[in-house]
Amino acid sequence: DAKTTQPTSMDCAEGRAANLPCNHSTISGNEYVYWYRQIHSQGPQYIIHGLKNNETNEMASLIITEDRKSSTLILPHATLRDTAVYYCIVRVANTGKLIFGQGTTLQVKP
Amino acid sequence: NAGVTQTPKFQVLKTGQSMTLQCAQDMNHNSMYWYRQDPGMGLRLIYYSASEGTTDKGEVPNGYNVSRLNKREFSLRLESAAPSQTSVYFCASRATGISYNEQFFGPGTRLTVL
Repeated sequence: DAKTTQPTSMDCAEGRAANLPCNHSTISGNEYVYWYRQIHSQGPQYIIHGLKNNETNEMASLIITEDRKSSTLILPHATLRDTAVYYCIVRVANTGKLIFGQGTTLQVKP
Repeated sequence: NAGVTQTPKFQVLKTGQSMTLQCAQDMNHNSMYWYRQDPGMGLRLIYYSASEGTTDKGEVPNGYNVSRLNKREFSLRLESAAPSQTSVYFCASRATGISYNEQFFGPGTRLTVL
């Protein structure tokens, strides 16, 4: 599975958009980009995934560059409850195994 | 639905003791997983079970055994606990049939080995 690179930490003002970048320059054509988050040592929670098109759901938007070597998770209106560690994961579609890096700690501030 | 449940929530062991961590899911998922998370680190896969009756090693299987008791339950056993196994253990499950289905995680078991 491709490795990912994320900033260690980021801050965001409450009510503003949080943009979390991820580099996955060695991604293969059949690998999906997944985002999970972990709030205060709870079990990780799925956010969104994509292959090559941009995706949006009720939680977030995922923007994938045309060459698929990087992506950005967007939380459109961050709240204090969005403070968490965000993991960007790349994996082959037909395997269930996730390889977690250290993620980005997002601190949403009032 | 309760989702993925884990017992116990907390456990303290002495070096050399054994114990079994229990995991159950009520979502009729085929695949189940055990991860460990050390302080300040991401999760690492210990073992997984793609379907009932099968188990496979993940990244860090040494010192652990697993049993897929039935479709609902997947247990993790430490035969002789060591301080290096102090960690938070997460169980997860995933539906198969659609290749990109996400994993659902339990609340974790916090294990300390003295």
